[in-house]
Amino acid sequence: QKEVEQNSGPLSVPEGAIASLNCTYSDRGSQSFFWYRQYSGKSPELIMFIYSNGDKEDGRFTAQLNKASQYVSLLIRDSQPSDSATYLCAGHSGGYQKVTFGIGTKLQVIP
Amino acid sequence: GAVVSQHPSWVICKSGTSVKIECRSLDFQATTMFWYRQFPKQSLMLMATSNEGSKATYEQGVEKDKFLINHASLTLSTLTVTSAHPEDSSFYICSASGAGSANEQFFGPGTRLTVL
Repeated sequence: QKEVEQNSGPLSVPEGAIASLNCTYSDRGSQSFFWYRQYSGKSPELIMFIYSNGDKEDGRFTAQLNKASQYVSLLIRDSQPSDSATYLCAGHSGGYQKVTFGIGTKLQVIP
Repeated sequence: GAVVSQHPSWVICKSGTSVKIECRSLDFQATTMFWYRQFPKQSLMLMATSNEGSKATYEQGVEKDKFLINHASLTLSTLTVTSAHPEDSSFYICSASGAGSANEQFFGPGTRLTVL
């Protein structure tokens, strides 16, 4: 069974700090990985995706992928209270395979 | 970015009635649409996957006769909750893929269903 695992948190970081969110996956066939942000009572919104080993940066967000370790992470620099949300990690094996979501990590940025 | 809409955003109905929820991709043709359910403080649960013109693929434990999915076009999918009961009260979210290069899913805003 394909699994994506995340610590449910909450992860608390002070405003301005770097928040590090981690995710591991069991399916070595997974090709693409996604990070979504979900505010309470709202639907998920895509932050970024990554499919190559290494880092991918987009503004204050950096996604990191290590396929050998089956590990994906999301770094949020200069964390703001508005970043407080649940962050969902998801993996996709390509083609018509469904995307597998983790349970999400709740992030709290303390002013 | 790719936009997905859902209608209605919230609905309250009596037990035993049926409720239809629409999901539309507004600015792209969705090769695949997905329906999720999320209970309070719980993770997303995939209910079914649908491709235009073909029958939906339901996840284990989801009753296909209770949750009817129709994917009539590349921009519209509907979920009908038949004979709804209070335990069906939940947040129903659709998503669509086909707009991006990595099969990423774009989510609708969700529909909050309350069954009295």
